[in-house]
Amino acid sequence: GAVVSQHPSWVICKSGTSVKIECRSLDFQATTMFWYRQFPKQSLMLMATSNEGSKATYEQGVEKDKFLINHASLTLSTLTVTSAHPEDSSFYICSARRSGRASEQFFGPGTRLTVL
Amino acid sequence: GENVGLHLPTLSVQEGDNSIINCAYSNSASDYFIWYKQESGKGPQFIIDIRSNMDKRQGQRVTVLLNKTVKHLSLQIAATQPGDSAVYFCAENRGYSSASKIIFGSGTRLSIRP
Repeated sequence: GAVVSQHPSWVICKSGTSVKIECRSLDFQATTMFWYRQFPKQSLMLMATSNEGSKATYEQGVEKDKFLINHASLTLSTLTVTSAHPEDSSFYICSARRSGRASEQFFGPGTRLTVL
Repeated sequence: GENVGLHLPTLSVQEGDNSIINCAYSNSASDYFIWYKQESGKGPQFIIDIRSNMDKRQGQRVTVLLNKTVKHLSLQIAATQPGDSAVYFCAENRGYSSASKIIFGSGTRLSIRP
């Protein structure tokens, strides 16, 4: 149990376009989902916390208008990178916290975004 | 943001030897710590966790030690195997209850020598 999926697993897009990444908790309900970004040979950096039915909370330095997060249901959160540029190329990883269990957070397999 | 601009140190270990990976954390209020393993192109995989009211916890071939006095965490892997090759991250749970979030520390790349 506790499986988190992401779609797509990789995506290549042109500069200036928008890209949507989905994060799903497959066998549990997730009140809270998190989005991380990881550049090559670096650690995971938390971008934002997404709570079902409410606005996301962004970490300092993360542009909320560029990284749109929607958490419309207890099993799905989406991250949209708007007007993507080459510097947005990164590995985006989501995680989901099981409802009622604050310390259990399960990670997805990641999405590789390449912006040309 | 945190951990931006850091490059991962590498630990090279002979197959069969024990590996010790160290991590320092900054927030003395953190009450829960986790070690993750990340293979190339994949998401982090949970290895073992420890709460701040403990100083040691053992799993299968892995042991985590927590020293709250100096804010230091270590992961020990016994009898290191080729499949242990990966990047290992320590992480801390910051905040409380539903407002908590997991913040990753710097990672260490573990490579195994045959």
